[in-house]
Amino acid sequence: SAVISQKPSRDICQRGTSLTIQCQVDSQVTMMFWYRQQPGQSLTLIATANQGSEATYESGFVIDKFPISRPNLTFSTLTVSNMSPEDSSIYLCSASGQNYNEQFFGPGTRLTVL
Amino acid sequence: GNSVTQMEGPVTLSEEAFLTINCTYTATGYPSLFWYVQYPGEGLQLLLKATKADDKGSNKGFEATYRKETTSFHLEKGSVQVSDSAVYFCALISGSARQLTFGSGTQLTVLP
Repeated sequence: SAVISQKPSRDICQRGTSLTIQCQVDSQVTMMFWYRQQPGQSLTLIATANQGSEATYESGFVIDKFPISRPNLTFSTLTVSNMSPEDSSIYLCSASGQNYNEQFFGPGTRLTVL
Repeated sequence: GNSVTQMEGPVTLSEEAFLTINCTYTATGYPSLFWYVQYPGEGLQLLLKATKADDKGSNKGFEATYRKETTSFHLEKGSVQVSDSAVYFCALISGSARQLTFGSGTQLTVLP
């Protein structure tokens, strides 16, 4: 199994600012993903973070709003840009290795935008 | 496309009661099925999984059987504890997609 850490664990931000969330995995993984969980809701996939190339975004999510980096096989960042109160959510990083049936999640970053 | 439909909550039970949370799915091909649990203030943890028809996943007293004929993966536990209070998510991976498709989640509260 993989152990995933995220920083920060929570933050309170002002409208119009940006926040970068870091995701670190303790071993090399094949796939990394970013999800959003709005209050009281299920998880929605934002994008797949691809190592060495641009992320693959799901419908409704764009690179200008959620730029993603993945410089190596164990690390990824998600930036929430020009934040508004509607961006208040938990953002979760996940990863899977060669066995795509095993996907592990980080503890999440709880973001509140005022 | 893929979708997961879960029993709506919240569900409130007394300690030692029997738990069932229903989950049905729509998917292309032959999906792998999962139950994840989210304890208050925490991230998601994989509870159990099943990768082919008639497989039974089990963990911590929870069980779920992959039923292809009814496209279901219902979660059961014979005797719940207060510590089982959490949100439970049914999910699947199918086809060439490598990301999970989640159900809406079911909030379970177990009272002493």
